[in-house]
Amino acid sequence: EAGVTQFPSHSVIEKGQTVTLRCDPISGHDNLYWYRRVMGKEIKFLLHFVKESKQDESGMPNNRFLAERTGGTYSTLKVQPAELEDSGVYFCASSLRLVGDTQYFGPGTRLTVL
Amino acid sequence: GESVGLHLPTLSVQEGDNSIINCAYSNSASDYFIWYKQESGKGPQFIIDIRSNMDKRQGQRVTVLLNKTVKHLSLQIAATQPGDSAVYFCAEILNTGFQKLVFGTGTRLLVSP
Repeated sequence: EAGVTQFPSHSVIEKGQTVTLRCDPISGHDNLYWYRRVMGKEIKFLLHFVKESKQDESGMPNNRFLAERTGGTYSTLKVQPAELEDSGVYFCASSLRLVGDTQYFGPGTRLTVL
Repeated sequence: GESVGLHLPTLSVQEGDNSIINCAYSNSASDYFIWYKQESGKGPQFIIDIRSNMDKRQGQRVTVLLNKTVKHLSLQIAATQPGDSAVYFCAEILNTGFQKLVFGTGTRLLVSP
C-alpha cells in the first residue's frame, strides 16, 4: 500500500510569488492534516480535513494560505503571496478514523522563499 | 536536512546501549501521546503511542512511560542500533475532540558503532 505522498519535494520561489503544494493521502483515509516546521521551530499544526470539509483550521497563520480538498481525495495548500517567513518544511498526514488514530506522514515539501 | 537551524538536544550512545529520550508535555488535558521518529529527508514515522489511562506500553525494542503527575513522557529504546539514529519527537493530542498533534521540539539520537 502506498503511503502519503507529497509534491514537489522541494520548491524555491521568490518573495511575492505563489506556490501550490500537493498531498495525496493513503487511499481510503478520510482525515488529512497539514503541518509545517519553519526554521528553528517545532512542527506545528495547520489544518485538518475530514473528507472535503475543514474540521479544524485553527493553525492556519493568515489568509495568504489556502487549503483545499475538492472531492475528498488529494489536497492542495497554496501560499499567495509567499513571504520569507513561510520558508520551512510542509508535511501532510492522513488517518483512517477521526478519533485516536495514527497519523501517517508524508516526506514533506521543503519550501524556500528568497 | 530540515533540522538545519533547529537547535535540538542531542543524546549520543554506543551501539547496544539502552537509550532513554525524555519529553515534557504541555497540557494536562491531553489524553493521547505518540512518539515519532524522523530520519533525514523523511517525514515523521510512528513508533509507539499511549493513552492517558495507561502508564506504560511496550513495543518491539521500545517502551513508552507516561507520568501524568509531572506531565512527563519517555521513550526507551533497548539495544540501540545505528539505524535508530534520527530525531525523535513526542506529540500529544488534547482531549478536545480535535485531532491535531502538538509536537515537542525533538531530541536527536546519535548511535555510534
